[in-house]
Amino acid sequence: DAGVIQSPRHEVTEMGQEVTLRCKPISGHDYLFWYRQTMMRGLELLIYFNNNVPIDDSGMPEDRFSAKMPNASFSTLKIQPSEPRDSAVYFCASSRLTSGNYGYTFGSGTRLTVV
Amino acid sequence: RKEVEQDPGPFNVPEGATVAFNCTYSNSASQSFFWYRQDCRKEPKLLMSVYSSGNEDGRFTAQLNRASQYISLLIRDSKLSDSATYLCVVRESGGGADGLTFGKGTHLIIQP
Repeated sequence: DAGVIQSPRHEVTEMGQEVTLRCKPISGHDYLFWYRQTMMRGLELLIYFNNNVPIDDSGMPEDRFSAKMPNASFSTLKIQPSEPRDSAVYFCASSRLTSGNYGYTFGSGTRLTVV
Repeated sequence: RKEVEQDPGPFNVPEGATVAFNCTYSNSASQSFFWYRQDCRKEPKLLMSVYSSGNEDGRFTAQLNRASQYISLLIRDSKLSDSATYLCVVRESGGGADGLTFGKGTHLIIQP
């Protein structure tokens, strides 16, 4: 099992540029989550999908953020245009609801710096 | 608003000692509880689920107090490798995946 795979690991971009973060969930997991982590706010849920369908995007900060899941093995989180306050670590996680008192498996994260 | 509160620490503890920390949650309807561990510049990893009757996994014991709405984690015979940030995690509903709410974590440093 390769785990949840995120790319890139690090991204440095200039303010105003478009940023795309990618995630491949664990095969067979039907829930996918995007989280953002900062020192000030900790881990915040941005959006989650069930069977590729967005269920709750109330955590998405504003219209500059968008997420898609075109198939069960791939999701993207896009920021356009990016701003310095978007600098954070973005984690993708996946889960299989039927695994009992389940937790999530996180990817290694993408460390985003917007300058 | 969903809130999960933890003492950020750091807790500086000598190797071999016992350490415990608590976490409080605001939503009395919360159904599932977890402790995650996060090492520096790494992703959070599930340490253990927390069951109503309390549960133990080796040196780690987790307890839940629904009346007072807090969760605790006890680490016995602490090891240097236990140094990490421990995240208290709560899920609101009994079914479906509504997203876990994470505390900001308690930073633990085990000193030789």
